[in-house]
Amino acid sequence: AQSVTQLDSQVPVFEEAPVELRCNYSSSVSVYLFWYVQYPNQGLQLLLKYLSGSTLVKGINGFEAEFNKSQTSFHLRKPSVHISDTAEYFCAVSGGGSQGNLIFGKGTKLSVKP
Amino acid sequence: AAGVIQSPRHLIKEKRETATLKCYPIPRHDTVYWYQQGPGQDPQFLISFYEKMQSDKGSIPDRFSAQQFSDYHSELNMSSLELGDSALYFCASSFGGIGVNTEAFFGQGTRLTVV
Repeated sequence: AQSVTQLDSQVPVFEEAPVELRCNYSSSVSVYLFWYVQYPNQGLQLLLKYLSGSTLVKGINGFEAEFNKSQTSFHLRKPSVHISDTAEYFCAVSGGGSQGNLIFGKGTKLSVKP
Repeated sequence: AAGVIQSPRHLIKEKRETATLKCYPIPRHDTVYWYQQGPGQDPQFLISFYEKMQSDKGSIPDRFSAQQFSDYHSELNMSSLELGDSALYFCASSFGGIGVNTEAFFGQGTRLTVV
């Protein structure tokens, strides 16, 4: 069975600082990984995804993530954050070979301070 | 571009009442997924439909039922509502059925409050 662990429930960071949100996964089948962002009272927006190929995945809003099979990780990074990046970030793994049936982690709240 | 439309956006119901949530997928999308996100929780997959047939089932309570209609919109019916059903309910849609190469797009959600 697949599962996702987000190691930090909250990450405070100052504006223009780099940030890394950690995600580890467990899967017995082919791994498809995703990062979503959720702004307050909003829906889920896809930031980036790994299906196959290059292990370094670039997404929207300057975010990127690296798939590391040996460490079973898919950490999300941004070199310089903005106030507008304040949101909740969810790592997810495909639950059945589908991009719609996802198993989400518990989420990480990123707070960017001026 | 058109997105996934959910209605209503907000709904307040009393315990033991019923509620119907609607999801209108992106035009030409034939697959719909439903999720439930409790307060401070991660989204939990409930159920999905492809071409009007149930394709996958997650942690959907027996009190809930759903279907997809001929125009591909979907409805989630919730009966005997409990306080614990208060949550944000998301719908997502994709084209081409269940497959890793078909991207799913999420709606803004319906916030259900049971009082």
